[in-house]
Amino acid sequence: GAGVSQSPSNKVTEKGKDVELRCDPISGHTALYWYRQSLGQGLEFLIYFQGNSAPDKSGLPSDRFSAERTGGSVSTLTIQRTQQEDSAVYLCASSLAISGTSGGSSDIQYFGAGTRLSVL
Amino acid sequence: AQKITQTQPGMFVQEKEAVTLDCTYDTSDPSYGLFWYKQPSSGEMIFLIYQGSYDQQNATEGRYSLNFQKARKSANLVISASQLGDSAMYFCAMRESRGSTLGRLYFGRGTQLTVWP
Repeated sequence: GAGVSQSPSNKVTEKGKDVELRCDPISGHTALYWYRQSLGQGLEFLIYFQGNSAPDKSGLPSDRFSAERTGGSVSTLTIQRTQQEDSAVYLCASSLAISGTSGGSSDIQYFGAGTRLSVL
Repeated sequence: AQKITQTQPGMFVQEKEAVTLDCTYDTSDPSYGLFWYKQPSSGEMIFLIYQGSYDQQNATEGRYSLNFQKARKSANLVISASQLGDSAMYFCAMRESRGSTLGRLYFGRGTQLTVWP
């Protein structure tokens, strides 16, 4: 089936504006993840969802960042009052499940193509 | 301390030769997973290979194999018979299995592989 879909692929915004980034996971995948990739910081975990709940939000860099997932499917990452340091590629991934052990192939996270955010 | 260390910022290999990309990891969790991803210049992260901490044999996927040395906490990626299309950034990652952080992948800084004709 289709892979992880992210939209928009590119977003240019002005400092202080709010932005919403969307992720549509692979059908049937219960777990969904958000990461951020920037030159200075590498790949950083932001948040993950198991179903509609987010057990680990500790990677969100500030309270300007929030995310939700509805219906166990699509997720939206919202950044309020964007700052220039928010410029990065935001990557979404999904996996079949999250297991409490090294559960094998069900743990594999498949990534979307990302949203490149530029804050002017 | 860094969870994942990739010490080679860049590697060069001639087409059809084999290349090893290094990765060491740090965890006290006895149950964990190790992953390698490829990121071409297009930007998409492509899953390559997975190794579980309890797996007895090294993982293989086509031309990719993972040289897993548990005692040394090493999980090197071996690419056999390199192709020009293998030129990309390669990331090593780990997922632990305990606690509130069990969902996240910890990534290394990556190794930029260039395959030349």
